[in-house]
Amino acid sequence: DAGVTQSPTHLIKTRGQQVTLRCSPKSGHDTVSWYQQALGQGPQFIFQYYEEEERQRGNFPDRFSGHQFPNYSSELNVNALLLGDSALYLCASSALLLQDFRRNEQFFGPGTRLTVL
Amino acid sequence: KNQVEQSPQSLIILEGKNCTLQCNYTVSPFSNLRWYKQDTGRGPVSLTIMTFSENTKSNGRYTATLDADTKQSSLHITASQLSDSASYICVVSGGNDMRFGAGTRLTVKP
Repeated sequence: DAGVTQSPTHLIKTRGQQVTLRCSPKSGHDTVSWYQQALGQGPQFIFQYYEEEERQRGNFPDRFSGHQFPNYSSELNVNALLLGDSALYLCASSALLLQDFRRNEQFFGPGTRLTVL
Repeated sequence: KNQVEQSPQSLIILEGKNCTLQCNYTVSPFSNLRWYKQDTGRGPVSLTIMTFSENTKSNGRYTATLDADTKQSSLHITASQLSDSASYICVVSGGNDMRFGAGTRLTVKP
């Protein structure tokens, strides 16, 4: 079992550009959540996808969007990049065993380090 | 406002020593509290998860405690090893919210 995988591992972009990050969930998991982790800070919840729909969203602007595919993999898209978007982007997967996704065990991927210049 | 505060911000101990990390929260209502270990440049890995009715949970040399009345949790690490060097993050869930603490950066030195 490969666990949660993310690509790419590192990415450098310039302000105003757009970026797409990818995540493959752990085998048997159908729910994917995305987090932004600034240096020295804890992760901040961006949104969660289940059944190809955004189910929950944190306090992030519409520049942050996502998608989930029928095979449960997911993409995070960020438009009009700002310097402040530089962070480690984490993907976490879980199986929706319980209605409240926050009670389900989440497994994190290694993250994608995004640097915006 | 729902918040999770962790202390200390960073900690250095010698190999073989014990240490205790603290987590105070104001998340309400409360559903569960998790401790994660995050190695540098890696994703967090779950250590323990506790619900309202649990006040102690162990995972090898890691023991987490929860006092839901005072809204405090601690993570005790016994007989520390060099591989324990990492950030330890407390996550509290409840209602429509899931809050991550900023973490405690632990360094274990030989």
